[in-house]
Amino acid sequence: EDQVTQSPEALRLQEGESSSLNCSYTVSGLRGLFWYRQDPGKGPEFLFTLYSAGEEKEKERLKATLTKKESFLHITAPKPEDSATYLCAVQADSWGKLQFGAGTQVVVTP
Amino acid sequence: EPEVTQTPSHQVTQMGQEVILRCVPISNHLYFYWYRQILGQKVEFLVSFYNNEISEKSEIFDDQFSVERPDGSNFTLKIRSTKLEDSAMYFCASIGRQSWETQYFGPGTRLLVL
Repeated sequence: EDQVTQSPEALRLQEGESSSLNCSYTVSGLRGLFWYRQDPGKGPEFLFTLYSAGEEKEKERLKATLTKKESFLHITAPKPEDSATYLCAVQADSWGKLQFGAGTQVVVTP
Repeated sequence: EPEVTQTPSHQVTQMGQEVILRCVPISNHLYFYWYRQILGQKVEFLVSFYNNEISEKSEIFDDQFSVERPDGSNFTLKIRSTKLEDSAMYFCASIGRQSWETQYFGPGTRLLVL
């Protein structure tokens, strides 16, 4: 059975304190791994898609990496506006459903 | 920038009533999805829809649920007889031809069943 596990569940950071979020997955035939950001009461906002082990993508203070069993989302020098829940999701088929992890809630304090 | 929109943003209903949640996917998108998120839980897949047919559905999507694309722009989720456990955020998502794998989500409809 496909599984997506994110850790830690919650993370409290000081502004400027870099850290990493983990997403470990088991899926038969990974088509893509996705990172989304979700603010309270809002829909998931797309950040990155990763397709194969070794791939990296960056956007502002965020960098996502992928291995055969897990993905990391690195937050470099975070700011309070980076506070959100970060969701990881896997897709096994083209145009197929996303299977989400439970998310990591990140709070960045000034 | 084009967005997925959903209406209403909030809906309160009595148990046993029918509700229709509406979504306007991004123009020219081809695949459409509904997900739900019960408070404090994971986002869960309900159903995918392509070419006016259901492509895949989860075990949550039982006979009480139906989807429809009544015209060229709207995509609806109907719950025939709501239960207390249907209370959740419902998200619509769509995929376009250019970004064929990235699902773009709407802001959600918060459904509360009393």
